Amino acid sequence: QVQVVESGGGVVQPGRSLRLSCAASGFTFSTYALHWVRQTPGKGLEWVALISSDGTNQYYADSVRGRFTISRDNSKNTLYLQMNSLRTEDMAVYFCARVSSTGPFPDYWGQGTLVTVSP
Amino acid sequence: EIVMTQSPATLSVSPGERATLSCRASQSVRSDLAWYQQKPGQAPRLLIYGASTRATGIPARFSGSGSGTEFTLTISSLQSEDFAVYYCQQYNNWPPWTFGQGTKVEIK
Repeated sequence: QVQVVESGGGVVQPGRSLRLSCAASGFTFSTYALHWVRQTPGKGLEWVALISSDGTNQYYADSVRGRFTISRDNSKNTLYLQMNSLRTEDMAVYFCARVSSTGPFPDYWGQGTLVTVSP
Repeated sequence: EIVMTQSPATLSVSPGERATLSCRASQSVRSDLAWYQQKPGQAPRLLIYGASTRATGIPARFSGSGSGTEFTLTISSLQSEDFAVYYCQQYNNWPPWTFGQGTKVEIK
């Protein structure tokens, strides 16, 4: 069955960096685009970034562009999110999600990893 | 950026009753709309895409309708496992992909 499992969350100070990973299984990883989506209690679900199946195209939310980098290693079935210059407003649960084969919306989501940004 | 607005914020429904959730887009998204269900501590689960197509394994009591700017998710007879938060998301005009703020369906 399709599975995506996030890891790498934790507590970090403002201005520091963190890298999230998402390990995928149960599908042909290299043929699917992938999203990162985050969730905060106050702001609900917020799309963060998308990467194409071959990694050549990336899209970012304005709130993270220039600070976050999405990447993937198709040989390892793993998605990454490098987060630099973290701010308190980046504190959230981060989900990775597979893009459906029938449209550019997420179909399978991981359980998420919590990022806490605190002095 | 397309803004998605859901109403109501909270819906109190008795088990076995019908629940009707609304989602409005700030401009037309044609039928490029998905609905997700999320329970506490869990990942969102895809229910509906293309405004009205049920995802794999989703019970027939869930139905979606609408196009353009007005959409509805209907749960025909609420079961105990249906009490959750529901989100709509547009995927017509991207980036960004945008979500509504959610409707919480609670037990009356």
